[in-house]
Amino acid sequence: GQQVMQIPQYQHVQEGEDFTTYCNSSTTLSNIQWYKQRPGGHPVFLIQLVKSGEVKKQKRLTFQFGEAKKNSSLHITATQTTDVGTYFCAGNAGNMLTFGGGTRLMVKP
Amino acid sequence: DTGVSQDPRHKITKRGQNVTFRCDPISEHNRLYWYRQTLGQGPEFLTYFQNEAQLEKSRLLSDRFSAERPKGSFSTLEIQRTEQGDSAMYLCASSLGLATITDTQYFGPGTRLTVL
Repeated sequence: GQQVMQIPQYQHVQEGEDFTTYCNSSTTLSNIQWYKQRPGGHPVFLIQLVKSGEVKKQKRLTFQFGEAKKNSSLHITATQTTDVGTYFCAGNAGNMLTFGGGTRLMVKP
Repeated sequence: DTGVSQDPRHKITKRGQNVTFRCDPISEHNRLYWYRQTLGQGPEFLTYFQNEAQLEKSRLLSDRFSAERPKGSFSTLEIQRTEQGDSAMYLCASSLGLATITDTQYFGPGTRLTVL
């Protein structure tokens, strides 16, 4: 079945440093979604990418969808303590989402 | 609050007991999904409904698990003869369900199940 892998599993950064998480799917995706889950919280939708090579920005967050629609990345510029949480990508190859294992971001003030 | 709601938020039970969780989706959302999340992992798909029809079930959903959405609105997830391995966060999500490709799922707060 479809598998979605995310790296790294954990990332510690100093506040102000940049952060990137990478997502790879074993199959071609119709779209990819990104979620953020704060400690003790539930996944909150951030963005959806649909087109091959698509790039979208939300303030300090930049999301990319690969040309082959099998990989994606999330880059945060100048991290803040409010960015703390686990970032999940989720691939959609039908009617169900397959989530990656997530990247847990910790930011030292 | 017009988001997805789940009840209860926490459930502690003894092994072998049955438990039932409820999910109320965002109103007018046609699709409703159930996921299970264990510590340090991403949510794993269990099943989903389009209105009242259960259209897909994961192989993770053993015969001890049953989900219903009788009137196409709220849904229940029942686990019979609970096992310690069932301990997890059970998440419900809903989406408009009008278009597969751009369907965004909105998650509820989850029900944390602990089986002793």
